[in-house]
Amino acid sequence: DAMVIQNPRYQVTQFGKPVTLSCSQTLNHNVMYWYQQKSSQAPKLLFHYYDKDFNNEADTPDNFQSRRPNTSFCFLDIRSPGLGDAAMYLCATSRENRDQPQHFGDGTRLSIL
Amino acid sequence: RKEVEQDPGPFNVPEGATVAFNCTYSNSASQSFFWYRQDCRKEPKLLMSVYSSGNEDGRFTAQLNRASQYISLLIRDSKLSDSATYLCVVSAGTASKLTFGTGTRLQVTL
Repeated sequence: DAMVIQNPRYQVTQFGKPVTLSCSQTLNHNVMYWYQQKSSQAPKLLFHYYDKDFNNEADTPDNFQSRRPNTSFCFLDIRSPGLGDAAMYLCATSRENRDQPQHFGDGTRLSIL
Repeated sequence: RKEVEQDPGPFNVPEGATVAFNCTYSNSASQSFFWYRQDCRKEPKLLMSVYSSGNEDGRFTAQLNRASQYISLLIRDSKLSDSATYLCVVSAGTASKLTFGTGTRLQVTL
């Protein structure tokens, strides 16, 4: 089945140690998103790619970076994770059409020691 | 004012009950509307899109009132498996971005 796949499902890293989360999709969607979701909160958009065009949210910390080497893959890099970055990180995709919903991967739960 | 507001609940209902969730949004330029379901510690999954004419999918009915900027979700004959958080999701006025509500938690009991 076509889908959005995130790896790993669970990631533990040390305070300040860089970490990379990955996302791949077989849906051939133009747009890919990274969200951060903390307990009992709405998913918070960090950034998204419209094809190769990178769109950062104004309140996304500089600590968070992203790469999209091709249509299928997108990475989230956290350069120096702090305790406040512990969260579920969700990757999603959508077609460019305005009326299309977003399809989510299973998420990566990040813990910081 | 939040862009998308929902009653957080929890709504505790017995099996077989009918339950309704409401959502209001602030961006009058929003064009697309969805309900997502999220189970504990899982990803959001699309439940249904919401159209101006209202739409139904089995036990689920969604309504949109653009004039009042209000969206609703009705669940009939609740099942234990309906227990989850229901997220109201609205386009952010641009083609590619969505704004999520914080969700309404539903607990269906025997």
